[in-house]
Amino acid sequence: SQQGEEDPQALSIQEGENATMNCSYKTSINNLQWYRQNSGRGLVHLILIRSNEREKHSGRLRVTLDTSKKSSSLLITASRAADTASYFCATVLASGYSTLTFGKGTMLLVSP
Amino acid sequence: SQTIHQWPATLVQPVGSPLSLECTVEGTSNPNLYWYRQAAGRGLQLLFYSVGIGQISSEVPQNLSASRPQDRQFILSSKKLLLSDSGFYLCAGGGRNTEAFFGQGTRLTVV
Repeated sequence: SQQGEEDPQALSIQEGENATMNCSYKTSINNLQWYRQNSGRGLVHLILIRSNEREKHSGRLRVTLDTSKKSSSLLITASRAADTASYFCATVLASGYSTLTFGKGTMLLVSP
Repeated sequence: SQTIHQWPATLVQPVGSPLSLECTVEGTSNPNLYWYRQAAGRGLQLLFYSVGIGQISSEVPQNLSASRPQDRQFILSSKKLLLSDSGFYLCAGGGRNTEAFFGQGTRLTVV
């Protein structure tokens, strides 16, 4: 069943602009992870944020987590054409044995 | 860090033919392993996961099966492929309390 839902489904921006993608989920989580996928390739892990964390940074990436709203956002600052890819959030539930459940992703296009 | 090897990169198979996709893991022991399918460039659907040798859990009833004969080997199989089995298949390791590592995927086209 679908746990994470990304928004927007597609995003088109110019180089240098910031890109913000959102993820909402339904059930309490242990952690939430963001991944990137270039067309026709495997997924690459970007950031893992645990349920007791509110914000994490990695280079030009900033992830926030609001467990009260059951939502997360991924911000890419000063975007580059090479950031063009699909971005997915994935959740691990807080209870029981939970596998990594992915949303449908946001397709980001950064134009030079 | 883990490395997931997955092959082949592309595969075209006739309807009714068997399938065997292999995934191997380097850099860790006793990993959790997963098979996902991705249709039409969209989200990933979890097909199978394994927490150890011979331990397979199926998430979606379907025409496929999985096996884990060795700690670092995970195999996706079918006895008779259907057109609806076409898609992009991804093997992954880890990914519960830590990051998941993905293979480069197999594009399967059933004709």
